[in-house]
Amino acid sequence: DIHMTQSPSTLSASIGDRVTITCRASQSISSWLAWYQQKPGKAPNLLIYKASTLESGVPSRFSGSGSGTEFTLTISSLQPDDLATYYCQQYNSYSTFGQGTKVEIK
Amino acid sequence: EVQLVESGGGLIQPGGSLRLSCAASEFSVSSNYMSWVRQAPGKGLEWVSVIYDGGSTFYADSVKGRFTISRDNSKNTLYLQMNSLRAEDTAVYYCTRVISTWQIGYFDLWGRGTLVTVSS
Repeated sequence: DIHMTQSPSTLSASIGDRVTITCRASQSISSWLAWYQQKPGKAPNLLIYKASTLESGVPSRFSGSGSGTEFTLTISSLQPDDLATYYCQQYNSYSTFGQGTKVEIK
Repeated sequence: EVQLVESGGGLIQPGGSLRLSCAASEFSVSSNYMSWVRQAPGKGLEWVSVIYDGGSTFYADSVKGRFTISRDNSKNTLYLQMNSLRAEDTAVYYCTRVISTWQIGYFDLWGRGTLVTVSS
């Protein structure tokens, strides 16, 4: 099984800050990685797929990069609406998720 | 509107069975990979099962032999039959549509989820 590790587990930042979340895979997954945003009490929402492709309708302040075993999700300018938990998902070999990164507004 | 609506969750005793349903609107379940993902209270996401458009099915090791994914094309509905339920199966179960790559893919459409609580 492929294990996904996200860091940090919790992140506190101010409005307007640039925020970066890292996801590491236990083995190479090429670019088969997606990112999701989950707001409290809601279902997850797809942000990015194939490591760097922005899903339609997702604000351009979100971006993704990486390949192989190391990936990042960047929010270029944090907004109040971005309060959420973010998950990475590998789909190279069935599917596993990272443990999540909770983003708090300072 | 393109959407997924789950039903069938509830409180069930350990060892019991439950069947979840997921009704799809404005797209065909049979033409897509479809999957179940669960989330234990306060925890992260866990992939559970997938059914391919061709009908093949695959499961996470944690549910293999106990859960069965299926669909009814005439009702455009996805199912998850859960047997021999354990306390650790307690979770919100989400129905998802999969944009397929090869074994699986990413999840572009999610239902609101249905809560399954396994407790005596």
